[in-house]
Amino acid sequence: DQQVKQNSPSLSVQEGRISILNCDYTNSMFDYFLWYKKYPAEGPTFLISISSIKDKNEDGRFTVFLNKSAKHLSLHIVPSQPGDSAVYFCAASAGGAQKLVFGQGTRLTINP
Amino acid sequence: DAGVIQSPRHEVTEMGQEVTLRCKPISGHNSLFWYRQTMMRGLELLIYFNNNVPIDDSGMPEDRFSAKMPNASFSTLKIQPSEPRDSAVYFCASSPGGIVGELFFGEGSRLTVL
Repeated sequence: DQQVKQNSPSLSVQEGRISILNCDYTNSMFDYFLWYKKYPAEGPTFLISISSIKDKNEDGRFTVFLNKSAKHLSLHIVPSQPGDSAVYFCAASAGGAQKLVFGQGTRLTINP
Repeated sequence: DAGVIQSPRHEVTEMGQEVTLRCKPISGHNSLFWYRQTMMRGLELLIYFNNNVPIDDSGMPEDRFSAKMPNASFSTLKIQPSEPRDSAVYFCASSPGGIVGELFFGEGSRLTVL
């Protein structure tokens, strides 16, 4: 029973265009959501987060949107750059706990 | 500052052998996590410690898995006996506890059980 799901294993986007990665969750107790980025042979690194009291958080080229009623969040990257090619993990936390539940990941490839 | 250090980076072993993975968290971080990455399930939390005390081990697959944190600078994850289905990348992460969910991961230990 995956509480956090990323239904797209892979996504290919042209350089300069927008990349949209999606994530769904089932546990209504989740109140904090994060995106992590992972390059091959490295550990995941924190990218951006959002609290459930907000519906949008922006950091440079990265924006995370949260739709609580749909239990859905998305990560927008614009414009996409070749260095954005990586695996992106969605994660969620409940009640301020450090414990994170991750999705399966989406492999993003940015084509020149 | 040094990041989270894991060893070994790669381990190939035969079914039935004991495997020990090691982790040194970032100094000053009070939480330590062990995750396992597989294609099917992504990153799964196995166990986490807070101030060296195991808080949640509900993700440990079965009794073959055990984890210890004898002090603030060292943790081990042991699999005995190992099975082919244990093949995965095992990540250790630590957190200072300030920002919710901001974990610092090591580079991982890739385990192959033949």
